[in-house]
Amino acid sequence: GDSVTQMEGPVTLSEEAFLTINCTYTATGYPSLFWYVQYPGEGLQLLLKATKADDKGSNKGFEATYRKETTSFHLEKGSVQVSDSAVYFCALLPSGNTPLVFGKGTRLSVIA
Amino acid sequence: EPEVTQTPSHQVTQMGQEVILRCVPISNHLYFYWYRQILGQKVEFLVSFYNNEISEKSEIFDDQFSVERPDGSNFTLKIRSTKLEDSAMYFCASSGLRGDRSLRAFFGQGTRLTVV
Repeated sequence: GDSVTQMEGPVTLSEEAFLTINCTYTATGYPSLFWYVQYPGEGLQLLLKATKADDKGSNKGFEATYRKETTSFHLEKGSVQVSDSAVYFCALLPSGNTPLVFGKGTRLSVIA
Repeated sequence: EPEVTQTPSHQVTQMGQEVILRCVPISNHLYFYWYRQILGQKVEFLVSFYNNEISEKSEIFDDQFSVERPDGSNFTLKIRSTKLEDSAMYFCASSGLRGDRSLRAFFGQGTRLTVV
């Protein structure tokens, strides 16, 4: 079945460091791909999405490119801030538009 | 931005007791969902609800679980006889679009359920 695998955390970085959180997926058809973020004490928020191959989603300095050839959707940010500390979830929406399939989440801690 | 609100934020209950987790979806949304995340594991889909009935459910959503939209604003998840393995974070979500309904789902902050 459809699944998402993302890198194990926690990830600890210094402020202004480069961030990559890896995400790969298994799906039939042409899924849409998402990154959600959960800040402490808050709900899951959509961070960015891409709906077809080679699309790049971007928001708040974060980017991810839908790579069909490698079935990946890695999240990147060039310079992280302390306020980026959160749990990041990669997710896919199968092409049949059934419910979202999530990864386990990766906790990011950014220290000043 | 509109919000999905869940209450309580944390619920502790004894094994075998019934719990009701409450959610207030965004007011003009049509589709409602429950997901859960057991600590350290994936966020898993439980059930979706549309037009006052369950539209889809996962294998996890067995007879122990039920959902209801009792008054047109709340959306509840009832767990009839809780087990230790029901301890998890439960997320409610809603979306409004008829077409790509999960494409823009809004999630609540979650209710952490601890069964002791």
